[in-house]
Amino acid sequence: GAVVSQHPSRVICKSGTSVKIECRSLDFQATTMFWYRQFPKQSLMLMATSNEGSKATYEQGVEKDKFLINHASLTLSTLTVTSAHPEDSSFYICSARVPGRNQPQHFGDGTRLSIL
Amino acid sequence: ELKVEQNPLFLSMQEGKNYTIYCNYSTTSDRLYWYRQDPGKSLESLFVLLSNGAVKQEGRLMASLDTKARLSTLHITAAVHDLSATYFCAVANYGGSQGNLIFGKGTKLSVKP
Repeated sequence: GAVVSQHPSRVICKSGTSVKIECRSLDFQATTMFWYRQFPKQSLMLMATSNEGSKATYEQGVEKDKFLINHASLTLSTLTVTSAHPEDSSFYICSARVPGRNQPQHFGDGTRLSIL
Repeated sequence: ELKVEQNPLFLSMQEGKNYTIYCNYSTTSDRLYWYRQDPGKSLESLFVLLSNGAVKQEGRLMASLDTKARLSTLHITAAVHDLSATYFCAVANYGGSQGNLIFGKGTKLSVKP
């Protein structure tokens, strides 16, 4: 069964709108979650690392004021795309690693964001 | 900086044939993952490889890891149409953000009847 829940799965909105995406770990606590972005027919690129109780770590080239991350609890991280523009249209995927050495990182179902 | 190279990027196979996808990475890591992605979907975990010589098999897929060569392979045996998808290898980056994953570009596999 799914261990990471991501919501919403699809968003279509007008340019200038802010969009919030939620990522929840189910049945386990995740002190760290990761946010990735995937453009069509490309691989996943890490945007930022979300840390519970502290500031997120952003990858080079990712605007922290544009992509706001909040990790207020051990099971929830949110990504807010502020004042979205068409170039922000993409597939956003979060992940979390189940505690334990042999565990993979599990991914949410992704959010397809389309900005008109 | 950790880099992950995957090849081939595109693979068209006939059903029943065997093939191998290769994943090379540039710096030491202790975790390598293989994922499957269907069109419009997120990633499904296939294998986690943690040690040199590790081999894991699930159905028609078998993954192996050679940490000395920094190489992992995903071998497909007697391919069937249901295996058509994009396959990604990913390596844990402990020099970066707390073990985030660096992904290869993916191999789009198409299995034809």
